[in-house]
Amino acid sequence: KAGVTQTPRYLIKTRGQQVTLSCSPISGHRSVSWYQQTPGQGLQFLFEYFSETQRNKGNFPGRFSGRQFSNSRSEMNVSTLELGDSALYLCASSLGRVRETQYFGPGTRLLVL
Amino acid sequence: GQQLNQSPQSMFIQEGEDVSMNCTSSSIFNTWLWYKQDPGEGPVLLIALYKAGELTSNGRLTAQFGITRKDSFLNISASIPSDVGIYFCAVPAPDGGGFKTIFGAGTRLFVKA
Repeated sequence: KAGVTQTPRYLIKTRGQQVTLSCSPISGHRSVSWYQQTPGQGLQFLFEYFSETQRNKGNFPGRFSGRQFSNSRSEMNVSTLELGDSALYLCASSLGRVRETQYFGPGTRLLVL
Repeated sequence: GQQLNQSPQSMFIQEGEDVSMNCTSSSIFNTWLWYKQDPGEGPVLLIALYKAGELTSNGRLTAQFGITRKDSFLNISASIPSDVGIYFCAVPAPDGGGFKTIFGAGTRLFVKA
């Protein structure tokens, strides 16, 4: 079974631009979560989607948004990029229940200049 | 908010040595997870613990779910160079209509051959 895939793997943007990251979950998984990883803050939860609906959201500004499609693929968008948005963005998929294991993708490393 | 205190932050050990790291929280959780992250990759689940007092092994790795449900530890025996990486404790927590995973800050392990 193919794992979680994320595209692109690396991205360089400039301040003020916007970016869209993509995540394809493991086949059959309906829950997709997004996390931001930085050296200073560690792994921080962004949001979780299940069956095209956002179920919960972390403590991030409205510039961070996401969506999920009917095939469970998910995208996250960051508008008006700031230098502090430079991070590794990780996507994780699961069947959707609390005790189900989350499987992580390799991440998209975003650098904002 | 909910927070996991993971220690130590980093460890420098010789190949063959045993390693121990732990995670504590002021809140009670019903599941404890241990992940490993290699450079440039997403976290990979090593061990999942679902019952207070449970002791689970995965090869040279052993983890325990604390009786109080507020802590967990991970031991690695006879370390080898490929054990290098960042180890995270994590707990899934219900949030809104879904759940999120809360991560510790990580323990960075260095193994000298």
